[in-house]
Amino acid sequence: DTAVSQTPKYLVTQMGNDKSIKCEQNLGHDTMYWYKQDSKKFLKIMFSYNNKELIINETVPNRFSPKSPDKAHLNLHINSLELGDSAVYFCASSVNPRTTGEQFFGPGTRLTVL
Amino acid sequence: GENVEQHPSTLSVQEGDSAVIKCTYSDSASNYFPWYKQELGKGPQLIIDIRSNVGEKKDQRIAVTLNKTAKHFSLHITETQPEDSAVYFCAAFHSNYQLIWGAGTKLIIKP
Repeated sequence: DTAVSQTPKYLVTQMGNDKSIKCEQNLGHDTMYWYKQDSKKFLKIMFSYNNKELIINETVPNRFSPKSPDKAHLNLHINSLELGDSAVYFCASSVNPRTTGEQFFGPGTRLTVL
Repeated sequence: GENVEQHPSTLSVQEGDSAVIKCTYSDSASNYFPWYKQELGKGPQLIIDIRSNVGEKKDQRIAVTLNKTAKHFSLHITETQPEDSAVYFCAAFHSNYQLIWGAGTKLIIKP
């Protein structure tokens, strides 16, 4: 019974394509996040949703669009993929954005754009 | 803006020796400092955290110390073992309710 799950684990695609990554958490948390981890392992927050509402939207190209159909799911859709989008994308969740506490990460999706 | 600096970027220690990773933060309002461990091919996982009203916290072989005046905190791992090899991240909870992450330290345990 995985706490935070992501699909797919690997995604290889051509430049210009559109792709989606799905994330689900069964922890009952209110808040979910998307992070991008580049080849140097640097973790960069992209988006955060609290109860389906967008609360963090960092400087991310608008080719990236998060969608939260309910508080247990946060999907990431990427249009017109570019070479620089190649990275590992992590979904995470936490109880509440305004309190300190653990973020639970999914296993990651390795995106390779050719 | 808010920044967390982490050093060193790579640390290689002999099995059984201790390892220390250091972080500094800039937002004096930060009040929560977690450490995450990321094993190869996995997501980061919380290993220990400390809040600003505490100076030190221990959990078996790992400990974290916090110096609020100097705005730095450190992770100490004693009696290192091969399974400690991973990338370690520090973070600080910013006053805008975001975690600000350090750049990571790759810890290598030599047999």
